[in-house]
Amino acid sequence: DTAVSQTPKYLVTQMGNDKSIKCEQNLGHDTMYWYKQDSKKFLKIMFSYNNKELIINETVPNRFSPKSPDKAHLNLHINSLELGDSAVYFCASSQDPQQPQHFGDGTRLSIL
Amino acid sequence: GESVGLHLPTLSVQEGDNSIINCAYSNSASDYFIWYKQESGKGPQFIIDIRSNMDKRQGQRVTVLLNKTVKHLSLQIAATQPGDSAVYFCAENRGTGFQKLVFGTGTRLLVSP
Repeated sequence: DTAVSQTPKYLVTQMGNDKSIKCEQNLGHDTMYWYKQDSKKFLKIMFSYNNKELIINETVPNRFSPKSPDKAHLNLHINSLELGDSAVYFCASSQDPQQPQHFGDGTRLSIL
Repeated sequence: GESVGLHLPTLSVQEGDNSIINCAYSNSASDYFIWYKQESGKGPQFIIDIRSNMDKRQGQRVTVLLNKTVKHLSLQIAATQPGDSAVYFCAENRGTGFQKLVFGTGTRLLVSP
């Protein structure tokens, strides 16, 4: 059973396009996250939602908009894609601040 | 052998050796720390965690040591196996009342048979 699943796994698109990445968790966790991992493997938090409410927004350009329709889903919409958006995006979830986050297998976004 | 995770350094060991991966964290108020393993094409996978009121925690073949005085965290892997080859990240929780993980730069572990 997949605990945190992201779709699509690969996304190749042109600069200027708008795209979405979906994330779902079946762990019953209250909090979900989006991370960006760059080409040097550096992993950085972008957003966090707790019970559909935004609790972390880490100076991410407003072209990035997370949406949480319910606590099991946190989608990431990106407008006007730029070359620098090329990265692997990871979704994660956790139950409380003293429990580990569980990660999906990532979405590799490539901007042409 | 041991390594400091600063610029994705690589630690190469032989199968059966013990491995030590080090991590320096910066926030003395961080109260929770996690080690993750990331294999190629996969997401980070939880290995072991430790709260700031402890200085050592053991799992199966893995031990995490926390030295709050010098803000240092280490992961020890006993009897390293080829399947342990991956990038290892430490993460510290800088959130209060919520979790905000800040990840280290990672260390690549290569295990030769």
